[in-house]
Amino acid sequence: EAGVVQSPRYKIIEKKQPVAFWCNPISGHNTLYWYRQNLGQGPELLIRYENEEAVDDSQLPKDRFSAERLKGVDSTLKIQPAELGDSAVYLCASSPLVSGELFFGEGSRLTVL
Amino acid sequence: GDSVTQMEGPVTLSEEAFLTINCTYTATGYPSLFWYVQYPGEGLQLLLKATKADDKGSNKGFEATYRKETTSFHLEKGSVQVSDSAVYFCALNQNTDKLIFGTGTRLQVFP
Repeated sequence: EAGVVQSPRYKIIEKKQPVAFWCNPISGHNTLYWYRQNLGQGPELLIRYENEEAVDDSQLPKDRFSAERLKGVDSTLKIQPAELGDSAVYLCASSPLVSGELFFGEGSRLTVL
Repeated sequence: GDSVTQMEGPVTLSEEAFLTINCTYTATGYPSLFWYVQYPGEGLQLLLKATKADDKGSNKGFEATYRKETTSFHLEKGSVQVSDSAVYFCALNQNTDKLIFGTGTRLQVFP
């Protein structure tokens, strides 16, 4: 069974530039998450989807971050414009409905110069 | 709000040594508790879990017991291997499908 796929693995941009991350969850997993992991810290939830509906986006900085999950499958997380403090690893995870276990992708490491 | 506190790393051990990584939590209800592991260059993966008090989760020689009286979920292994070198994250889920993670503890095992 294929795992959660994320791209790109690495991205280096200058501040004020836009960036987008893509995630393909495990087939059949209704719940999709985006987490941000700063260096030396644990992951923090940005947004959670149930199918195509965002059910928890309270930690998403909505002035510059946006996300979508088309047709309840793939998802895109966008930052525009990026700031120096956005440098982090962006993790996508999926889970079967109400299981408690999350399956993570390898993450997208963003460096903002 | 709910939170997880882990011991700071790195934890440095020789092969076959005994491992303990401390984890305590703060939660208003009765959360499920998890240990996730992140090997170098890989994504986070579930190591073990416990869903109620006194449950013991175990996998790959690792164990952790859900202790409600001390709000703890310490990770233990009797004999570590070099291949266990990774970052270990304690996490809780307050039945909302939202995992709250600790800051992670890096384990380094030397031959």
